[in-house]
Amino acid sequence: EPEVTQTPSHQVTQMGQEVILRCVPISNHLYFYWYRQILGQKVEFLVSFYNNEISEKSEIFDDQFSVERPDGSNFTLKIRSTKLEDSAMYFCASTMTGNGYTFGSGTRLTVV
Amino acid sequence: GENVEQHPSTLSVQEGDSAVIKCTYSDSASNYFPWYKQELGKRPQLIIDIRSNVGEKKDQRIAVTLNKTAKHFSLHITETQPEDSAVYFCAASINAGNMLTFGGGTRLMVKP
Repeated sequence: EPEVTQTPSHQVTQMGQEVILRCVPISNHLYFYWYRQILGQKVEFLVSFYNNEISEKSEIFDDQFSVERPDGSNFTLKIRSTKLEDSAMYFCASTMTGNGYTFGSGTRLTVV
Repeated sequence: GENVEQHPSTLSVQEGDSAVIKCTYSDSASNYFPWYKQELGKRPQLIIDIRSNVGEKKDQRIAVTLNKTAKHFSLHITETQPEDSAVYFCAASINAGNMLTFGGGTRLMVKP
């Protein structure tokens, strides 16, 4: 069964540093997403991406965040200057039109 | 925006019993309602979904019901097994490709 792949699985970074989280969505999917989950809490929407542009974003997705699809396979989330409260599990997801999401295995980001 | 409430937050049942998890949503424009199962430290996995043109959907031991007038939907698991133990999240969105708003999650514990 096709999978959404995320790297790294765990990233530790100093406060104020930039991080890039990487995702390889399922190859024939058209919609891509980033969600985050703070430990023990619910999954929260960050951003959706379709046709090479952001289609929706939440209040969490402020100017510190950006997404990019640099080539035909990768989908990245960049956090420019990390804060302690950015510590969370970040999930990438993808879907074809009209179907449910497939989530990746997540990147645990720890900001120290 | 959409708000999804989920109850109960924890649920403990004996193996073989049924489990019911309930969610309410606020946005009458929502039309797509998936349920995700998340095992500890793992990705959310879609287990069943329902669209607003359907009142009930069943897949083996799992069923979901939707009452669009009352804006609530429920997950029913029959003949529970220890491997059903996990956190279950409901979610809502306008369409299957749009952003999902998740409920707070239900930790289901099935005692052997």
